[in-house]
Amino acid sequence: EAQVTQNPRYLITVTGKKLTVTCSQNMNHEYMSWYRQDPGLGLRQIYYSMNVEVTDKGDVPEGYKVSRKEKRNFPLILESPSPNQTSLYFCASSQAGTQYFGPGTRLTVL
Amino acid sequence: SQKIEQNSEALNIQEGKTATLTCNYTNYSPAYLQWYRQDPGRGPVFLLLIRENEKEKRKERLKVTFDTTLKQSLFHITASQPADSATYLCALEPTGAGSYQLTFGKGTKLSVIP
Repeated sequence: EAQVTQNPRYLITVTGKKLTVTCSQNMNHEYMSWYRQDPGLGLRQIYYSMNVEVTDKGDVPEGYKVSRKEKRNFPLILESPSPNQTSLYFCASSQAGTQYFGPGTRLTVL
Repeated sequence: SQKIEQNSEALNIQEGKTATLTCNYTNYSPAYLQWYRQDPGRGPVFLLLIRENEKEKRKERLKVTFDTTLKQSLFHITASQPADSATYLCALEPTGAGSYQLTFGKGTKLSVIP
């Protein structure tokens, strides 16, 4: 089944404790991206990647890092999480403009 | 500044009627516009894509129009059903930007009342 998977689905952590949210797709898509979704603000792009070893900032990249060492994986790294990064995070992969979203990761930073 | 506006946060309609959702944009020249459906706590799901040189696109009970002069897209669900209740997002990609710069509207929450 073609899909985008994210782990973990839910995470509660404390300020400053480094964490990684994994994202994997099995559709051989070149393009992947990360979004966060907050009430009243909608979906906002954090980072995107056009291919292996090619990444770039989206609209809200501060406080986040990404890497793209393999085509299928695009992890999101929060080196020092802060409470304002509490949000619902979505990974997506894309082919021909259509985005396929993962199930989401709900992150709470205390 | 660039803006995408879905001018209804919420829309309630009676089952069987046609739901019409609006997406307006300013200061963009999009290559195409897309509509997604999102259920609570889940990722958006792609519904339809319409290109700048297309006026209308249909898929089953769904219809999308795209007026680049008015800078507006309309999304219609005919013969609406309670199962159509969800939040609908429009998204566009500026011409030449590539599929990696998709910008989303904030969505319209549709409730279809039995």
